Amino acid sequence: EVQLVESGGGLVKPGGSLRLSCAASGFTFSNAWMSWVRQAPGRGLEWVGRIKSKTDGGTTDHAAPVKGRFTISRDDSKNTLYLQMNSLKTEDTAVYYCTTEGIYYGFDVWGQGTMVTVSS
Amino acid sequence: EIVLTQSPGTLSLSPGERATLSCRASQSVSSNYLAWYQQKPGQAPRLLTYGASSRATGIPDRFSGSGSGTDFTLTISRLESEDFAVYHCQQYGSSPPTFGQGTKVEIK
Repeated sequence: EVQLVESGGGLVKPGGSLRLSCAASGFTFSNAWMSWVRQAPGRGLEWVGRIKSKTDGGTTDHAAPVKGRFTISRDDSKNTLYLQMNSLKTEDTAVYYCTTEGIYYGFDVWGQGTMVTVSS
Repeated sequence: EIVLTQSPGTLSLSPGERATLSCRASQSVSSNYLAWYQQKPGQAPRLLTYGASSRATGIPDRFSGSGSGTDFTLTISRLESEDFAVYHCQQYGSSPPTFGQGTKVEIK
């Protein structure tokens, strides 16, 4: 069964840091482009960033609101995707989902999400 | 970046009725790489259609996507009880990928 399981969410103060993890199973993780998408309470979906497979260069792209503060990485030996979040702001409060990103298929597999709350 | 505008914001219909959801892009979507997702409360989005008109694996044929360029439509031919949810469109042909604000399909 293809599965993504996020972890690491929680409550953090403004200016703080948090690292999210996404454990993948049921598919060849090393070949997959992976993205993070977030959803603030009662709002729509917002793409956070992606990391390509190593065979496609392993490069990352980050959305403008998080560029310079968030970093996406991967450990293919552990089938795990990461999102390092620094200098967190209240507006980063959201459910964070990891997804597979297919060039043709869109975002076809999603994790259940992990909640991040930034509040003093 | 491409801005997607979904309409209507809320659609109130009865089971068995036809639902027509619209997604308009601020510029042409490259290769018609437009997807639709269904999201129920407390759940992750689920891919319904991609490439404007291809159904994802396991999606019932009452869901159909159409359109090209800047105007796209998701049609649900006959609403079933499990179809009442929020629907999001997304373009993934240009970076950054962007989503519409969502259309809620509610029971009338």
